[in-house]
Amino acid sequence: EIVLTQSPGTLSLSPGERATLSCRASQSVSSSYLAWYQQKPGQAPRLLIYGASSRATGIPDRFSGSGSGTDFTLTISRLEPEDFAVYYCQQYGSSPRLTFGGGTKVEIK
Amino acid sequence: QVQLQESGPGLVKPSQTLSLTCTVSGGSISSGGYYWSWIRQHPGKGLEWIGYIYYSGSTYYNPSLKSRVTISVDTSKNQFSLKLSSVTAADTAVYYCARIEWRWYYFDYWGQGTLVTVSS
Repeated sequence: EIVLTQSPGTLSLSPGERATLSCRASQSVSSSYLAWYQQKPGQAPRLLIYGASSRATGIPDRFSGSGSGTDFTLTISRLEPEDFAVYYCQQYGSSPRLTFGGGTKVEIK
Repeated sequence: QVQLQESGPGLVKPSQTLSLTCTVSGGSISSGGYYWSWIRQHPGKGLEWIGYIYYSGSTYYNPSLKSRVTISVDTSKNQFSLKLSSVTAADTAVYYCARIEWRWYYFDYWGQGTLVTVSS
């Protein structure tokens, strides 16, 4: 089973700052199958990045994804007020086939 | 624009079967190229994938829930459904339906989610 570990658990930053979120896999993950989501309170997750580095439709270019193998990163270049939320990584691979990381909360400092 | 909407009871008694339906609009389940999935989120916790189905009826379930889960599809109604048997309080969660893009295996469209509470 592939386990995704996200760090840090909480990131306290100010608007305008850069956010760097980590997603580490217990086994190698194909870059094609690594995605990132944003979730705000009371809402469903929203797809941000797929294929490790491709932005989904309508996602601002301040969001970027990178990484390969077991280490992946979501970067928000300059935080906007609407970016404070919880972020999840997700992989597709061996059983249980689809898994999510535990999430990173980006909160206002 | 594809939209998904969950429906079903918000309260289920312990040991009973949780049943939810997801109605898809703005696109046809039968068009292919996508899997149709259920995900849940325990209160204040992360996301747990439950399983997915293709329009042909082929399914894949999370092994941790496989013995209790059935996902089915009704292409005539453009709906797919979840049944989770023998529920306990640990199954209390927000249940989401979502679409999976078949080449990259990401969830691109989600329902708003529905809270199901297991309690007597």
